[in-house]
Amino acid sequence: DVKVTQSSRYLVKRTGEKVFLECVQDMDHENMFWYRQDPGLGLRLIYFSYDVKMKEKGDIPEGYSVSREKKERFSLILESASTNQTSMYLCASSLYGRAGRRGYEQYFGPGTRLTVT
Amino acid sequence: SQQGEEDPQALSIQEGENATMNCSYKTSINNLQWYRQNSGRGLVHLILIRSNEREKHSGRLRVTLDTSKKSSSLLITASRAADTASYFCATGRYGNKLVFGAGTILRVKS
Repeated sequence: DVKVTQSSRYLVKRTGEKVFLECVQDMDHENMFWYRQDPGLGLRLIYFSYDVKMKEKGDIPEGYSVSREKKERFSLILESASTNQTSMYLCASSLYGRAGRRGYEQYFGPGTRLTVT
Repeated sequence: SQQGEEDPQALSIQEGENATMNCSYKTSINNLQWYRQNSGRGLVHLILIRSNEREKHSGRLRVTLDTSKKSSSLLITASRAADTASYFCATGRYGNKLVFGAGTILRVKS
């Protein structure tokens, strides 16, 4: 069965702390994604990776960085957490749609609800 | 950049009734997907329809796509209390990323 796991379901951090959110998938997917979800705004893409050590900025990358050292693991880093980064963070993975292929569904982890105080 | 917009924002129906949710988008797409999210959890993929398809079925779900109107609808027939969730449409262009809408909250009363 397809599985995406995230390191924490709930996390509380203080302003200015460095925060690591980890995501692991066991499906050998090339693509991995980090989203944040806020009420009324849906999911917004923070960063995307299509291969080990490769990354692309999404719509809202400011204040975040990512690391992908192994194919199955994609980490989201908040260098200096701020209160406006309080949110639900969702990780997802999918197969890689090469030129001419038409896209694949994404598989999501359970989410990490991060509160920054 | 939010491409898909779901309508209505919230929907409340009785068990056994049908639920219809709509999604409109702005630019050309390669595929459109629907996802479900139970309260406070991750999203679950429901169905994917490609730009050259007009209708797709999966169990009690029926999805239509009208590329000329840039819209899609998700129909859930004979709804159950367990269908209570948020439903999101997501549009895919050429490439691997999806753009999600803000979602429709469906409540099915038993």
